[in-house]
Amino acid sequence: KAGVTQTPRYLIKTRGQQVTLSCSPISGHRSVSWYQQTPGQGLQFLFEYFSETQRNKGNFPGRFSGRQFSNSRSEMNVSTLELGDSALYLCASSSLGRGLTDTQYFGPGTRLTVL
Amino acid sequence: GEDVEQSLFLSVREGDSSVINCTYTDSSSTYLYWYKQEPGAGLQLLTYIFSNMDMKQDQRLTVLLNKKDKHLSLRIADTQTGDSAIYFCAEDDNAGNMLTFGGGTRLMVKP
Repeated sequence: KAGVTQTPRYLIKTRGQQVTLSCSPISGHRSVSWYQQTPGQGLQFLFEYFSETQRNKGNFPGRFSGRQFSNSRSEMNVSTLELGDSALYLCASSSLGRGLTDTQYFGPGTRLTVL
Repeated sequence: GEDVEQSLFLSVREGDSSVINCTYTDSSSTYLYWYKQEPGAGLQLLTYIFSNMDMKQDQRLTVLLNKKDKHLSLRIADTQTGDSAIYFCAEDDNAGNMLTFGGGTRLMVKP
């Protein structure tokens, strides 16, 4: 099976712009979670989608949003970018989102740089 | 609130054992995980342990869980230079698919 894929891998934006990142989960996985990784704050949970519904949300401002499509692919959007949004954004998928074998498998990440 | 803590750095010689420690606070976690991150890469799931287990062994990896002290450790036997990476422990929230990660331990393996 192909792993979790994320596009683009690298992105450079300027303050005030918006950005959309994409994640394709492992085939058959229905849960997609997003994490932000920065040197200062480490890995922080953004949100989780399951069957096109946001099921869990971390402590991020409303500028961060996401959605999931019927094929389980997910996008996250950040509006009005700030310098502090520069980070590695990681997407993870799992089959059901809870249960014995529902471990999360991560993609390679999208590195966003805000200038 | 939830908080997961790890030491920042560990240096070992090739062939030695490495032990990476982690403390967590959420006693309701169902699973505890160890992930590995190499430079420029995402997170690779190494192993996980169910919260009612004390130990899990998987080839060179041994996970020990002390629920009373909320302490988790990862032992890597016969550490190789290819094991050099950042290792993250994580706990789940027992309600959905949200992981809380420690700050990561950078393991450096010297030849």
